[in-house]
Amino acid sequence: DVKVTQSSRYLVKRTGEKVFLECVQDMDHENMFWYRQDPGLGLRLIYFSYDVKMKEKGDIPEGYSVSREKKERFSLILESASTNQTSMYLCASSRFQGFTEAFFGQGTRLTVV
Amino acid sequence: KNEVEQSPQNLTAQEGEFITINCSYSVGISALHWLQQHPGGGIVSLFMLSSGKKKHGRLIATINIQEKHSSLHITASHPRDSAVYICAVRSANTGNQFYFGTGTSLTVIP
Repeated sequence: DVKVTQSSRYLVKRTGEKVFLECVQDMDHENMFWYRQDPGLGLRLIYFSYDVKMKEKGDIPEGYSVSREKKERFSLILESASTNQTSMYLCASSRFQGFTEAFFGQGTRLTVV
Repeated sequence: KNEVEQSPQNLTAQEGEFITINCSYSVGISALHWLQQHPGGGIVSLFMLSSGKKKHGRLIATINIQEKHSSLHITASHPRDSAVYICAVRSANTGNQFYFGTGTSLTVIP
């Protein structure tokens, strides 16, 4: 019954590495989102996408990029990982409009050493 | 400025107690979600509300659209309810984005 799947629960990467976080949804949703969660700051929007190949910057896009080549998949890319990107990353998806449910992935805890 | 405010930030309760977590928001919304995050990080969506009240087992969520307020209640609390509870609202005005509260950390003591 899993609806939003993030590729990894835990990741450890080295400073300077290129990191890919993958998110797949099976509900044909138009909207997909990437958030990061930090203590005391809650969840903050990094990027979102409302259609294939479309993306919009969120509140904290610096140091990140995204890719949405297929409707079901939304990838978050850390071009050169840094220690301040150690965080919990959460993917979500929803229909474009209306009173519809949103679904959340289980999160990926990324540690950059 | 936080669009979503939760209270309390931390809550400790004895097993069996009735628990209430509150969420107030300042933006127009199309829906409000209550999320549960257990130690280890996995996040589960508990409820989506656009009006009224929903119940699932020992969990009850209510929303008052006019007052821009929602509550999450846990009846007969149990140590396995220990988690962080997060309120998230889906904005009606900004391209379907979500705003999140910073969470309420609940510990239920046996």
